[in-house]
Amino acid sequence: GDSVTQMEGPVTLSEEAFLTINCTYTATGYPSLFWYVQYPGEGLQLLLKATKADDKGSNKGFEATYRKETTSFHLEKGSVQVSDSAVYFCALTSSNDYKLSFGAGTTVTVRA
Amino acid sequence: DVKVTQSSRYLVKRTGEKVFLECVQDMDHENMFWYRQDPGLGLRLIYFSYDVKMKEKGDIPEGYSVSREKKERFSLILESASTNQTSMYLCASSSGVRRHYGYTFGSGTRLTVV
Repeated sequence: GDSVTQMEGPVTLSEEAFLTINCTYTATGYPSLFWYVQYPGEGLQLLLKATKADDKGSNKGFEATYRKETTSFHLEKGSVQVSDSAVYFCALTSSNDYKLSFGAGTTVTVRA
Repeated sequence: DVKVTQSSRYLVKRTGEKVFLECVQDMDHENMFWYRQDPGLGLRLIYFSYDVKMKEKGDIPEGYSVSREKKERFSLILESASTNQTSMYLCASSSGVRRHYGYTFGSGTRLTVV
């Protein structure tokens, strides 16, 4: 079945540091890939997505590129802020399934 | 602004009570989902529905049931609440034909069973 493996946390960074969270997947066909963010006490929000190979999703300074050859969708941000402290989830949906498969989530804490 | 609305942000219930968690979406989505989220366990799918009056068990349906009488509303029912059902509950919806849009989540309901 489909599955997502993402980097375990927690990750602690200083403000303006570079952030990368690794995500790899196993899926049949051509899945769509997502990153969701969950701020403390909130539900999940869609951060960015990519629907085909070599697509780059971007939002709020975050980027991720759909790499079919390495089955990866790593999340990056060049200069993090305290407000980026959150839990980040990588997810995918296959063309033949209603459901999203989620990674375990990575907790990121950014210190001033 | 499109949204998924969960009726309560915080809820405290007693052991043995019947508990209803309500979720409403205004996006005309076909699919709706209930997850619970616990520290160290990630998101676990309880039930989902891909159409009115249809339901499918997820990974952890025991102790729960659901109801979907109208397209916009998906209710999660704890038949007899227990302390191990203390958790954050998240509702989500998605389009049946535009799966590449992903899910839209509600803000969550933090349920405490005492």
